Order: sequence, then structure tokens, then C-alpha cells
Amino acid sequence: DQQVKQNSPSLSVQEGRISILNCDYTNSMFDYFLWYKKYPAEGPTFLISISSIKDKNEDGRFTVFLNKSAKHLSLHIVPSQPGDSAVYFCAAYGNDMRFGAGTRLTVKP
Amino acid sequence: IAGITQAPTSQILAAGRRMTLRCTQDMRHNAMYWYRQDLGLGLRLIHYSNTAGTTGKGEVPDGYSVSRANTDDFPLTLASAVPSQTSVYFCASSRDSRTEAFFGQGTRLTVV
Repeated sequence: DQQVKQNSPSLSVQEGRISILNCDYTNSMFDYFLWYKKYPAEGPTFLISISSIKDKNEDGRFTVFLNKSAKHLSLHIVPSQPGDSAVYFCAAYGNDMRFGAGTRLTVKP
Repeated sequence: IAGITQAPTSQILAAGRRMTLRCTQDMRHNAMYWYRQDLGLGLRLIHYSNTAGTTGKGEVPDGYSVSRANTDDFPLTLASAVPSQTSVYFCASSRDSRTEAFFGQGTRLTVV
């Protein structure tokens, strides 16, 4: 029973446009959320995080939005660049850190 | 260079054999984790340790054991490997339980 869900296995966007990656969770004890980026044959790398006391956190081209009532968070990338093409994982902390299944983002030139 | 190191990078293992995957970090992080990555399932937590001397079970702990005798090392042992344990294994560490985690490069394990 996955407590963190990424229902879109893949997403394709044009360079310069916005990429929106979505994540839902079921465990109300989660209070800290993170996004990681993964390239093939490498370990995931941290991208951005948000505490449950906030509803938005921004870092350059990356913004994470949290809707606690809906148990939903999203990652916005604006503008998208070809180098952003990777698998993006959503993660959440409760007693431990749980991950979603990932969304493969492809940014086309 | 500070970071987290996993060994081996890949291994082919006969079913029924015992195997220990090694993980070492030099960042003095308190928390460490083991995940397995399988297609369509993402990263699933096997075991974790919030501090040296303590361990906890994750989502998929069966068939695996861990120990945390000191801050730096967090080995994962498969007592008797089965083909369903074929996967890519990632070790990670974080300063504590509410901070970003750093991941190793992964160990690709094939059980035949």
C-alpha cells in the first residue's frame, strides 16, 4: 500500500513551457515533503522541499505547492529546459521517508 | 570528497546465497536508509536507522536485515537471496529525519 502516489508515469513538455508534476499522499502524519531528481545510473538528488506549515516554497525555476486538505503537492518547473529531463520522485517524512513511483519528464527542444 | 559510498556497484548472486551490501557515509549524518528501486514501483523503503544503535522496518523488510553499529556504516544483508530480490539498491543518509537525504550511486543486484 503506497502512501505516496505519483499517478502520471510520464510527462512530455516543450522547452520553455511549464512542467507540472503531481503527487498525492494518504498518510496524514506526513509533515515534510521533498522532490528528488534522478538521472539514469545515478542516485536521486535533492531538488526542493516544503514543510507542512507552508503552502509554497520557491527556488529559482522550481516551485513546490502543498495543499494539505487535499493531501496533494505539485512541482512546477518554469521555464522547462532539456536538461530537466529526468525521473522526478516525490517523498514524504512521517516516521521515515517514503517515495512515490516517480514521473519521467521529457523536455523537448 | 564527502559523500556516501556503496559497494559493490553490481553483483550477480546465486539464489540461496548470503550477501551483504555495504554503505558508508562520512558526513556524520544521524539517519540512514536502504531503498530498492523497481520499475513502476519507485523507491521502496527496506530498513532505516534514525541514529546509531537503532534500526526500523520500512515497507518491504522481509528477507533483509540491517545493523547500525556506528554512525558511518549501514550494511544491508540478504540472508538467503531469492530472484524477487533482483533490484537496484540505494543507500541514503540525512542529517536527521526532516532534512534532505543524500544517495549513493546504487548497487545493481541480480539473483539467479
